This record gives sequence, C-alpha cells and structure tokens, in this order.
Amino acid sequence: KAGVTQTPRYLIKTRGQQVTLSCSPISGHRSVSWYQQTPGQGLQFLFEYFSETQRNKGNFPGRFSGRQFSNSRSEMNVSTLELGDSALYLCASSPIGFDSTDTQYFGPGTRLTVL
Amino acid sequence: GENVEQHPSTLSVQEGDSAVIKCTYSDSASNYFPWYKQELGKGPQLIIDIRSNVGEKKDQRIAVTLNKTAKHFSLHITETQPEDSAVYFCAASKAGKFYFGSGTKLNVKP
Repeated sequence: KAGVTQTPRYLIKTRGQQVTLSCSPISGHRSVSWYQQTPGQGLQFLFEYFSETQRNKGNFPGRFSGRQFSNSRSEMNVSTLELGDSALYLCASSPIGFDSTDTQYFGPGTRLTVL
Repeated sequence: GENVEQHPSTLSVQEGDSAVIKCTYSDSASNYFPWYKQELGKGPQLIIDIRSNVGEKKDQRIAVTLNKTAKHFSLHITETQPEDSAVYFCAASKAGKFYFGSGTKLNVKP
C-alpha cells in the first residue's frame, strides 16, 4: 500500500497570507490527524477528522482549520499567517482512530516557512 | 489530560553499544504505546509498539518494555549502528488520541 502523502512538501509564505496543505491517507484509512512540529514545542496535535467530521481538536487558534472529503483526503488551512506558524506540518492516518490500539502512520510533512 | 515525559533529550553512544530511552505517562487509561523514529527531513516512522496487555515486545535489535503499575515504558536498541542516529519519539494513546513525548536525539558514533 502507498503511504501517507502530503503536498506540497515545501512552502514559503509571507505574514498575513493564507495557506492550504493537503494530505492523502493510506488507502482504507478513515481517520486523519494533523500535527504541528517545531523545535521548541515538539509534536502538537491540531485536529482529527473522521468521516468528514472533526472529531478531536487541539489548542490552536481559529486561524487553523481543516476539512475532510468523502474519499478521506484532508486539507488544513492557516489564515493570516504569523512568523510563529513556521513549522513542519504532519499528517497521520489510521484505520478508524477511535480504537485506542489503532496505529497512526505519518506522512513526510509539509515544511512551511513564513517570512 | 495525558502527559508524556521522555528522557533523555539527547543520547550519544558508541557504535555497538546499547541505547535506552525512557518515557512515563500519567493517565492509567492509556493502553497503546508506539515508538517513532524521525530522520532529518522526514516524517516519524513507526518502529515498534506495545499494547497494555503485553509487558515486553522485541523486533530484532529493538525492544520495548511496559510497566503499567509504574506507568512507564522504555525503548531498548542493542548493537547500535550509525543509521540508528535519529530523533525518537514515544507516545501514549487513549481512545485514539495520541500524546507524544518531547523526543530523544540519538547519536551513534562510528
């Protein structure tokens, strides 16, 4: 099976702009989670989608949003970019996600740089 | 909520030696514990995991132990090789939500 794919792999934006990142989960996986990874804060959970519905949400401002499509592909959007949004954004998929013994598989990430 | 602590933050070993990374968790309801390896410029890759009904699991040079009573779990890498150099993350999962440790940068010196 193909792994989790994320596009684009690299992005450079300026403050105030918005950005959309895309994630395609492993075939058959219905849960998609997004994480922000920075050197200082580690892996921070943004949100999780299952069957086109946001099921869990982390402690991020409303500028961070996401959605999931009927084919389980997911997008996340960051509006009004700030310098502090520079990070590696990781997507992870799992079969269902509600079962606590489901494994999460990560994509390669999108490196976002805000200038 | 769950809190996962990971130690050490950096670990340097000589090739061929063993490496041990330890994590503690706070929520006794957590019952799935994966370990991930992240190489530079890549996403985390699952290397081994353990479920709460098991005390130890081994896969070639990698092993994980879980002590539910003490709420801690450890990653053991034997006969380390330079290609083991990476950042390792532990995680605790409860009801499908994952809580990650802060990571351990392992450097294996040839």
